[in-house]
Amino acid sequence: DAGVIQSPRHEVTEMGQEVTLRCKPISGHNSLFWYRQTMMRGLELLIYFNNNVPIDDSGMPEDRFSAKMPNASFSTLKIQPSEPRDSAVYFCASSSGFQPQHFGDGTRLSIL
Amino acid sequence: GESVGLHLPTLSVQEGDNSIINCAYSNSASDYFIWYKQESGKGPQFIIDIRSNMDKRQGQRVTVLLNKTVKHLSLQIAATQPGDSAVYFCAEVGGSYIPTFGRGTSLIVHP
Repeated sequence: DAGVIQSPRHEVTEMGQEVTLRCKPISGHNSLFWYRQTMMRGLELLIYFNNNVPIDDSGMPEDRFSAKMPNASFSTLKIQPSEPRDSAVYFCASSSGFQPQHFGDGTRLSIL
Repeated sequence: GESVGLHLPTLSVQEGDNSIINCAYSNSASDYFIWYKQESGKGPQFIIDIRSNMDKRQGQRVTVLLNKTVKHLSLQIAATQPGDSAVYFCAEVGGSYIPTFGRGTSLIVHP
């Protein structure tokens, strides 16, 4: 039973570079969430998709962040250009209807 | 200057003790509540949930209590084991179906 799969697990890059995080939700789940976790701010919701359509992106920090969900089995979160303050662990989660979310193991992003 | 991260509340217990982790939620209209466990290097993992029409729900070694009057949620872990060491989050869900997560509590179990 495959859970939510995120890649890469770790990413270290220099500021100004483009970063792309990937997520494969659990098959059959119709909602997908991107979160960012830091010690300062805890777990923050960035964007939420339902049936591949972005429903709420009010948590996306600024225009440097963008997310897409081209189909039910794949989503990306892109940061361009990246900055050191974007360093965090980024989680993807999926769910079906009014059920608890299932989280991936995250991407630990370090921007130097 | 140097930024300082906020330290999570921490609960330290001995193996075999019962643990109680508390959570205050903010929205009186929330009607669904979830507890998650997050181990180091992993994503949050679902433990147990409760709907607002209940005040208690039991799972395997875990019990969640809900007090809507004071907007308080607690997670009780019986016979705590070293493998229970993790950060525990409560989440409240309202009409939007989007959970709002608390800051978390770090549970440390000493063998």
